[in-house]
Amino acid sequence: DADVTQTPRNRITKTGKRIMLECSQTKGHDRMYWYRQDPGLGLRLIYYSFDVKDINKGEISDGYSVSRQAQAKFSLSLESAIPNQTALYFCATSGMAAGEATQYFGPGTRLLVL
Amino acid sequence: GESVGLHLPTLSVQEGDNSIINCAYSNSASDYFIWYKQESGKGPQFIIDIRSNMDKRQGQRVTVLLNKTVKHLSLQIAATQPGDSAVYFCAENPPPSNTGKLIFGQGTTLQVKP
Repeated sequence: DADVTQTPRNRITKTGKRIMLECSQTKGHDRMYWYRQDPGLGLRLIYYSFDVKDINKGEISDGYSVSRQAQAKFSLSLESAIPNQTALYFCATSGMAAGEATQYFGPGTRLLVL
Repeated sequence: GESVGLHLPTLSVQEGDNSIINCAYSNSASDYFIWYKQESGKGPQFIIDIRSNMDKRQGQRVTVLLNKTVKHLSLQIAATQPGDSAVYFCAENPPPSNTGKLIFGQGTTLQVKP
């Protein structure tokens, strides 16, 4: 079984709709991240969480919100989707200890906003 | 601002040849570097990492070289195979090193010709 899972894998929605992307991990990591990937722009950090009570904005958090329901679960919401949020979204996890900077990624969610 | 960049957006090699993918980083105080492989439709997958106190690290068919003098990182793939076709990203862990926030390059596409 995959260590980091994301649901759904693909989603088509309309402008103005609220949607939620979910991420679960079995790696036992404290830190979780949400990124979006656009052609030519690489990975950009949306939000990150170091534990259930710690949520931080990344470089492109506007239009997004997150919830850390448990150590193993981190969800990303688009309150009112817009077409320029069409992208590939990745969840990632990493450990907390020094030297555990490597991030492990889920398979991604492809989102299309019409 | 800080950035991690790749010298070539696309690299085309013959099957069986060696591949070299390059990366430039801007923060001389970064202490940890990672190479990821991303196949079409999948999330980035960890390949190999290296700490700043090392110049070279070898894995199975892959070698990472770090030149701190010129802030350059390279990934060498020996005997390149069709399954190596993917986008390759480098990432750096800038100070403070315990933030968990990596900086990713935009990626180089490796195409393996049969």
